[in-house]
Amino acid sequence: DGGITQSPKYLFRKEGQNVTLSCEQNLNHDAMYWYRQDPGQGLRLIYYSQIVNDFQKGDIAEGYSVSREKKESFPLTVTSAQKNPTAFYLCASSIGTSGGAGAKNIQYFGAGTRLSVL
Amino acid sequence: GEDVEQSLFLSVREGDSSVINCTYTDSSSTYLYWYKQEPGAGLQLLTYIFSNMDMKQDQRLTVLLNKKDKHLSLRIADTQTGDSAIYFCAESSWGRDDKIIFGKGTRLHILP
Repeated sequence: DGGITQSPKYLFRKEGQNVTLSCEQNLNHDAMYWYRQDPGQGLRLIYYSQIVNDFQKGDIAEGYSVSREKKESFPLTVTSAQKNPTAFYLCASSIGTSGGAGAKNIQYFGAGTRLSVL
Repeated sequence: GEDVEQSLFLSVREGDSSVINCTYTDSSSTYLYWYKQEPGAGLQLLTYIFSNMDMKQDQRLTVLLNKKDKHLSLRIADTQTGDSAIYFCAESSWGRDDKIIFGKGTRLHILP
């Protein structure tokens, strides 16, 4: 089954701790994204990557870090510098314009990870 | 910058039609999308429309696009309890580094 897998489904962070959220896709997509969702705020873009070994900051990158060493994987680390990490985190992927999609860049989403602070 | 706006809540009686509206600011928007999010889940693509189209129909879903007014709507016919969810409008255009812009979502509540 092709799709995007996020793990874990629930995650708890202690004060001063870094935590890493996993995102894996087997859709052969070039582009991957991380969003944060808070109630009433919609989706806010944290980081995105258009191709392996390259990524760009989104609108709310402070306190987060990412890597893109493999096409299939785009892990997100929530660092201790992120003072309000409690939220629902969504990973997505798309073919991307480098994949010939043009402006039709349908994003496919994982099931999300809910992060809470202990 | 580019923006997509939606009303936050909509209540509809079961069996009636639901109409969710969206406005956007980018005149170069090329594709417009509707996503559905059920509680505790990710977003699921419902449908999309290319900007040179006025309407697209897919079973119970009808999308209307008024490009002049930058207005998009999603009509759900014969609304059922399973349609209760948050609906996100989104748009993409050339030259935006693969990013798409999402609205804040409209929560659809079904009344018995």
